[in-house]
Amino acid sequence: GAVVSQHPSRVICKSGTSVKIECRSLDFQATTMFWYRQFPKQSLMLMATSNEGSKATYEQGVEKDKFLINHASLTLSTLTVTSAHPEDSSFYICSARGRLAGGTGELFFGEGSRLTVL
Amino acid sequence: AQSVTQLDSQVPVFEEAPVELRCNYSSSVSVYLFWYVQYPNQGLQLLLKYLSGSTLVKGINGFEAEFNKSQTSFHLRKPSVHISDTAEYFCAVSDMNTGFQKLVFGTGTRLLVSP
Repeated sequence: GAVVSQHPSRVICKSGTSVKIECRSLDFQATTMFWYRQFPKQSLMLMATSNEGSKATYEQGVEKDKFLINHASLTLSTLTVTSAHPEDSSFYICSARGRLAGGTGELFFGEGSRLTVL
Repeated sequence: AQSVTQLDSQVPVFEEAPVELRCNYSSSVSVYLFWYVQYPNQGLQLLLKYLSGSTLVKGINGFEAEFNKSQTSFHLRKPSVHISDTAEYFCAVSDMNTGFQKLVFGTGTRLLVSP
């Protein structure tokens, strides 16, 4: 099946710094990418939807100035957590949908990135 | 808005025993239903999905699920589990109006298979 890769898988940073997480579709072109956040023992919560070449659409309650999403190419989307604070510590997961996948409904997920802010 | 409830946070079972992982949803509109599996240190993988048609859906690795509209359930079953089935399982729903754009996930059920 299609492969989506996230990097880094784990990152620890100091409070106030910014962290960038990459999400790449390795063997297909991802027209749409989704970013989720998962707290311990809780659901994956959709943060934003990004379409290649356009601005991301954020879910209600998600600060777009804090969580910057860029989908500059059909194989790469990035999530930047700006001025990170301990409450931003979480597991971030991306998923991607390809050009031809719309009819099947299948999303391909990355491995997730665990962010710890000290 | 939709919501998904997975009542069991953890299900321990012996190898070769049958298992059922429960999923209930709520929605005011018709929905699509999904089960995903997450193995340690890996991304989510689609096990099966219900879009329309037969309410009994067969997926990969011997899993199946049955859509029950009256009970708003989509329980996942396997007649005989293997050690390798140990993983986190997520039920998810999206409504037919938004298509596959927005998935609402349950909190997950950890399946622990022991010898």
